[in-house]
Amino acid sequence: NAGVTQTPKFRILKIGQSMTLQCTQDMNHNYMYWYRQDPGMGLKLIYYSVGAGITDKGEVPNGYNVSRSTTEDFPLRLELAAPSQTSVYFCASSPTGISGYTFGSGTRLTVV
Amino acid sequence: AQSVTQLGSHVSVSEGALVLLRCNYSSSVPPYLFWYVQYPNQGLQLLLKYTSAATLVKGINGFEAEFKKSETSFHLTKPSAHMSDAAEYFCAVAAGTALIFGKGTTLSVSS
Repeated sequence: NAGVTQTPKFRILKIGQSMTLQCTQDMNHNYMYWYRQDPGMGLKLIYYSVGAGITDKGEVPNGYNVSRSTTEDFPLRLELAAPSQTSVYFCASSPTGISGYTFGSGTRLTVV
Repeated sequence: AQSVTQLGSHVSVSEGALVLLRCNYSSSVPPYLFWYVQYPNQGLQLLLKYTSAATLVKGINGFEAEFKKSETSFHLTKPSAHMSDAAEYFCAVAAGTALIFGKGTTLSVSS
């Protein structure tokens, strides 16, 4: 049982480049989330989804986009990368949202 | 609106000593509260959760937390620290369908 899988684990982007962070889960969870973690700041919610075809903005959505075409996959798209997007990104899933999350191992992104 | 505040960004204890990590919450509805642990270069792992049942919640690795409504607190404790407990700990509260996390407390354990 793989749980939540994120790829890649590390990436360096140049300013203005774009990329997609991949997230897939095999637990048939309806709820999926993207957070970013910055030192001393905890985790901030970027986007979330309560089911296939449904997405909504979190606290810090600017500069990001998401899609949810299947229950399993929830990719995060960065358009026109900026240094402020240097962070560790975590994907998580949950059966009900308030029952707690299963987290992926994260993607460490550096924008230079 | 729901929020959590973790008191102390860094806590240091000796091996065998009591661990106490503090979390206070703000919520307009009965809260669902969580503690997560993050080991270096890893994702977050659920330690325990409070969902309005028993006020004393036992989790993994010998940790427990007590929900105190009068103090709006959900502090995490462990009677005897082990070197392997060194990690970052996050308190979180459910807000709608998502969790809001505190800024984290780094626990250091010395021998």
